[in-house]
Amino acid sequence: TQLLKQSPQFLSIQEGENLTVYCNSSSVFSSLQWYRQEPGEGPVLLVTVVTGGEVKKLKRLTFQFGDARKDSSLHITAAQPGDTGLYLCAGEIIQGAQKLVFGQGTRLTINP
Amino acid sequence: GAGVSQTPSNKVTEKGKYVELRCDPISGHTALYWYRQSLGQGPEFLIYFQGTGAADDSGLPNDRFFAVRPEGSVSTLKIQRTERGDSAVYLCASSSLPNYGYTFGSGTRLTVV
Repeated sequence: TQLLKQSPQFLSIQEGENLTVYCNSSSVFSSLQWYRQEPGEGPVLLVTVVTGGEVKKLKRLTFQFGDARKDSSLHITAAQPGDTGLYLCAGEIIQGAQKLVFGQGTRLTINP
Repeated sequence: GAGVSQTPSNKVTEKGKYVELRCDPISGHTALYWYRQSLGQGPEFLIYFQGTGAADDSGLPNDRFFAVRPEGSVSTLKIQRTERGDSAVYLCASSSLPNYGYTFGSGTRLTVV
């Protein structure tokens, strides 16, 4: 059973286009994190959101936590080839449990 | 060190053998985690240490898997009687509490042949 579902699983677009990746669950999360992973490397933390409705921006990346804290989205504006990678969302179900549940990832390819 | 260090980076072993995977966390990070990532999947939780003790080992798949962190720093994940299904990338991460983000190592790619 996949607690966190990411969509799409694969996305290939042209440089300069905008895109949104979704992370959905039927469970409530106390916090949610987004990571980016390159081949042969571990995931690198991009952002953590903890409050329902919270929006955080990181340059061209905008992260939103759903009001009910069950879902999140990552929006990239004017995508660049350097954005290529595997994007993972991960949620902490119980606050302080110190255990993250990861989605299966969205593999993003930005073509020049 | 500056980051989380995992050794070896690659390990090929024969079915039935014993393997040890090492993780050296960021200095001062009291929390240490092991995750396993299969091809095309997100990481799956194995075990979490707070200091020297395993605070949550609910993700270990069976009793062939064991992990230690005797001095509250370096951790070793031990797998006995390896099976082909154990093949995966084993990721270690550390954090300082409260947990609002891990720092992951580059992982150990384990291949059981």
